[in-house]
Parts: sequence; structure tokens; C-alpha cells
Amino acid sequence: KNEVEQSPQNLTAQEGEFITINCSYSVGISALHWLQQHPGGGIVSLFMLSSGKKKHGRLIATINIQEKHSSLHITASHPRDSAVYICAVRPKRGLIFGKGTKLSVKP
Amino acid sequence: DTAVSQTPKYLVTQMGNDKSIKCEQNLGHDTMYWYKQDSKKFLKIMFSYNNKELIINETVPNRFSPKSPDKAHLNLHINSLELGDSAVYFCASSHRGWMPQHFGDGTRLSIL
Repeated sequence: KNEVEQSPQNLTAQEGEFITINCSYSVGISALHWLQQHPGGGIVSLFMLSSGKKKHGRLIATINIQEKHSSLHITASHPRDSAVYICAVRPKRGLIFGKGTKLSVKP
Repeated sequence: DTAVSQTPKYLVTQMGNDKSIKCEQNLGHDTMYWYKQDSKKFLKIMFSYNNKELIINETVPNRFSPKSPDKAHLNLHINSLELGDSAVYFCASSHRGWMPQHFGDGTRLSIL
């Protein structure tokens, strides 16, 4: 079993839909990261969380440390949100990545 | 004025060769990283350098050696390339504290 599990693996949505991507982990962590990888391959850091909730534009990330779970929400989704969203957790050393969720938003 | 630049973008070479990938950042960050993304798009951290000191080495074969001449550069040298080394390698940088990380565009390494 992977230490970081994301669900769903693939997600197709219609433009305007509210989207949720989940990340569960099994190790103790000091922080959790969400990253976005564009279809062209470029990677962008979205959030770092150690507790609670963060918001940036239409993106919201939450974390529940007790339940070892984080969610990434996208409100009013748009085709330009189509990308792979990757969760990564920071244990004592290093980063452990999930396998990513591939999101396609159709116009 | 690219923040994190890697060269080359593509590298095609034969098994057994030695190659290097260069990375430079102009953000004034003090920590730089190398990641490997395999054919299944799974990312793994390879190295992290903070102020020219290696602070993480995630069980990477010793054929891979990071070299940091100064805090703006972290080059990756790979000796005796193997088929399994084929992947996309990403360089990134951040201030101490891991995030936000700024990523380079990646170097696609193909071993023939």
C-alpha cells in the first residue's frame, strides 16, 4: 500500500462544476503539499498546509491531521484547470508523493 | 528572466555513458532539489541542497551525484547510464521550509 493515496485517479468534469480531489496518507507528517502539473509537463506549487484550510482564488485546500486526510477543491471549474494534481506529504525527511489525479474539465 | 532553468530540455544517449543536467535559479533561494518522474508520472525526490550542503539523499544509486558550485546552481551528474534511468528530471528551488517550490521545465532523459 502506498503511503500517500489520491482519489480519484481520473476525473472528468463539465465546466462550472465543483471539484474535489482527495489525499490520504499513513505516515506522520509536518506538512502536506498540493502541486499542479500542466499537460505540457510544467509543475506549479499550489499550497502547503499543516492545519486547517487555505484558499487561493478558486482553489481551496483543507487538511485534517487527525484523520490523515486532505482535500483540494476547485470551485467553478474551467477547462484551463485541466491538469494532474499531486499531493505530497513531508515526513521527518523528504517528500512522499501521491500518484496524482488527472483532471479534465470539458467546456 | 526564467526563474529556474534546466539544460538540456531533452537528452538522448546510450547505456553506459556519463551525462550531466544543469540547473540554475535566479530567485535567491537557498535550497535546491532534484526530482525524478518515471514513465508512470510518479514523482520522487532525489536530492535536496541547502546552502551547498546535501541534506537529503533518498536512496538514490551512487551513480547519481549532485554538484552545487554555489547556491544558485545544482547540477546532476549521472555515471554509467542504465535503461531504468530514462525519466523526466525536474530541478526546483525554494527558501528554507520547502514551499513554495519553483520548478524547472524538466529534462527528458532517454537511454537507448
